[in-house]
Amino acid sequence: NAGVTQTPKFQVLKTGQSMTLQCAQDMNHNSMYWYRQDPGMGLRLIYYSASEGTTDKGEVPNGYNVSRLNKREFSLRLESAAPSQTSVYFCASRERQRAFFGQGTRLTVV
Amino acid sequence: AQSVTQPDIHITVSEGASLELRCNYSYGATPYLFWYVQSPGQGLQLLLKYFSGDTLVQGIKGFEAEFKRSQSSFNLRKPSVHWSDAAEYFCAVGASYNTDKLIFGTGTRLQVFP
Repeated sequence: NAGVTQTPKFQVLKTGQSMTLQCAQDMNHNSMYWYRQDPGMGLRLIYYSASEGTTDKGEVPNGYNVSRLNKREFSLRLESAAPSQTSVYFCASRERQRAFFGQGTRLTVV
Repeated sequence: AQSVTQPDIHITVSEGASLELRCNYSYGATPYLFWYVQSPGQGLQLLLKYFSGDTLVQGIKGFEAEFKRSQSSFNLRKPSVHWSDAAEYFCAVGASYNTDKLIFGTGTRLQVFP
């Protein structure tokens, strides 16, 4: 089925550990996004990529890095995880103004 | 700066009752407006969108929304709520000139009682 696939679905990290969240879409979309969702905060944009090879900061980029290696994949990296990064992370891709979301990654940093 | 306000954090309605979820936006240009629904443990699903034209837009699952430029609002409505509509609803705004960002509101959690 076409769509946006995120891995892993769940992850627990210790403070200071690093990890990469993977996202892939098979809809040939140019734009891809990473959001985090926190209670009472809605979805906040971390980084986005308008096209292959380009990335831009969103509202809350601190503590994250991204990589858009090809059109399909857009990864999010936490170099040194902090408890404040405990959240649910969503990847999305966009066709014109319709965004398609992955199922989310629930990350807990202890 | 773009912003979206959903004033109601939590709404409870009885099954069969009508529903209106409020959304106000702040945007300097012509906005592109969206409503998304998120069921527990799921990603977001597009309910409906407004770009231009008729200010009353129809979406999936019997939802509709009305764009009112004078009030900077894009409220979501449903005439008769079903128990399966219990979820979190997000309003979002995107730029008409910069189509790369979607800014979301903080969401409204809908509970439906039988």
